[in-house]
Amino acid sequence: QKEVEQNSGPLSVPEGAIASLNCTYSDRGSQSFFWYRQYSGKSPELIMFIYSNGDKEDGRFTAQLNKASQYVSLLIRDSQPSDSATYLCAVEPFSGAGSYQLTFGKGTKLSVIP
Amino acid sequence: ETGVTQTPRHLVMGMTNKKSLKCEQHLGHNAMYWYKQSAKKPLELMFVYSLEERVENNSVPSRFSPECPNSSHLFLHLHTLQPEDSALYLCASSQGASDYEQYFGPGTRLTVT
Repeated sequence: QKEVEQNSGPLSVPEGAIASLNCTYSDRGSQSFFWYRQYSGKSPELIMFIYSNGDKEDGRFTAQLNKASQYVSLLIRDSQPSDSATYLCAVEPFSGAGSYQLTFGKGTKLSVIP
Repeated sequence: ETGVTQTPRHLVMGMTNKKSLKCEQHLGHNAMYWYKQSAKKPLELMFVYSLEERVENNSVPSRFSPECPNSSHLFLHLHTLQPEDSALYLCASSQGASDYEQYFGPGTRLTVT
C-alpha cells in the first residue's frame, strides 16, 4: 500500500524564521512530488512541484527531493503569519505509465508566530 | 481563483435524498478528479476522468455516481448517503491524467443528516 507520511504538527516557528516541512513516501518508484497549501476552510492550492533529485527554488519556497532516501521537504524562508496553513505533500507513483493516483499525506499544520 | 468552480458550496441532505455536485473547469484541461476530504484523514481520490472516460474508480460505494459529459464538466450524483459521507468534496483538474499538476476547486461541504 502506497503511503505518504507527514508530521501532523502543529509546527510553530517565529516570524522571519525558516520553516522546514518533511514528507516521506513508501513507493520507491514514485516520480512526481507536489506541495499543496491549504488554509483553514479552503481547498488545497498547488505551491511547488519537483520531479528531479536536488533543490528547486521559487521565491521564498524551496522544495528538496532525495529519491534514494524517499523523502521530500519544503523550506519556507522568512516565514510570515500568512504562511500559517496546513501543507499537504502529494506523490504520484509513475510518469506516463497510466497510473492516475496522486497519494496525499495527512498534512502538517504550520503556525507562524508574529 | 484556480479556474475550477464547484457548486453548491454547501449542501445539507437527508439520507433518502438525491442530489448532484457540479464542477466546471475553465483551464482547457483534459482530466478531472473527485476527491473526498474528511477530518484527520488524507485526501481520498474517488474518481478520475481523462478525455471524458473514467479511468480510475477507487472502490467508491455505488451511492456515489460520477458523470463527465465533456472535458470541462464533472458531476457527482449522490443517492441514499450515510452520515459518514459528510465531508468536503473537492474537484480538481489537470492537463493530463498522469504526471501533471492538479488544480482544485473550492469544494462542496456536504452534511448528511
